[in-house]
Amino acid sequence: DIQMTQSPSTLSASVGDRVTITCRASQSISSWLAWYQQKPGKAPKLLIYDASSLESGVPSRFSGSGSGTEFTLTISSVQPDDFATYYCQQCNSYPWTFGQGTKVEIK
Amino acid sequence: QVQLQESGPGPVKPSETLSLTCTVSGGSISSSSYYWGWIRQPPGKGLEWIGSIYYSGSTFYTPSLKSRLTISMDTSKNQFSLNLSSVTAADTAVYYCARLKAGKWGDYWGQGTLVTVSS
Repeated sequence: DIQMTQSPSTLSASVGDRVTITCRASQSISSWLAWYQQKPGKAPKLLIYDASSLESGVPSRFSGSGSGTEFTLTISSVQPDDFATYYCQQCNSYPWTFGQGTKVEIK
Repeated sequence: QVQLQESGPGPVKPSETLSLTCTVSGGSISSSSYYWGWIRQPPGKGLEWIGSIYYSGSTFYTPSLKSRLTISMDTSKNQFSLNLSSVTAADTAVYYCARLKAGKWGDYWGQGTLVTVSS
């Protein structure tokens, strides 16, 4: 299985900060990567797919980049609604696997 | 608007079979554009992809569950289902169903249903 490792596990930020989350794959996954946002008690929400494609309806302050084994999710200016846990997911080869999550907290 | 809703019988005893159904509205599971998947999340932990099914009936299972897992679909009811046999406490989780665009990305999700395995 391809292992996905996110860093950091927890991140404290203030409203308006630029936030970057990293996801590393144990082997190359080309650009087959997605980012999800999850709030407590809710289902995950797709933000980014194909590493850098913004899902319809997602604010443009979210962006994704990377290919191969290293990827980043950037929130250009964190808003109150963005405090949540973020997961990366690879879909290069079965089984699809997720990172362990990064919790973005209010500083 | 596509909506998915998980349903199931509630608590399950160890060694029994966990059965869940996902009912899809606002879209057809017979569409060739999407796969339909199951993902679970143990309490306080991360996400685990379980498996998926295509309109043709092709299925893809995570290897760690493959021997106990069956995913099927009923196009007449616009539903797909999960059966996980011989469950243990380790199978306690919130189970989500999702539509997978391009066969990969979960763009619509159910609200999730907590399944507790306990005697």
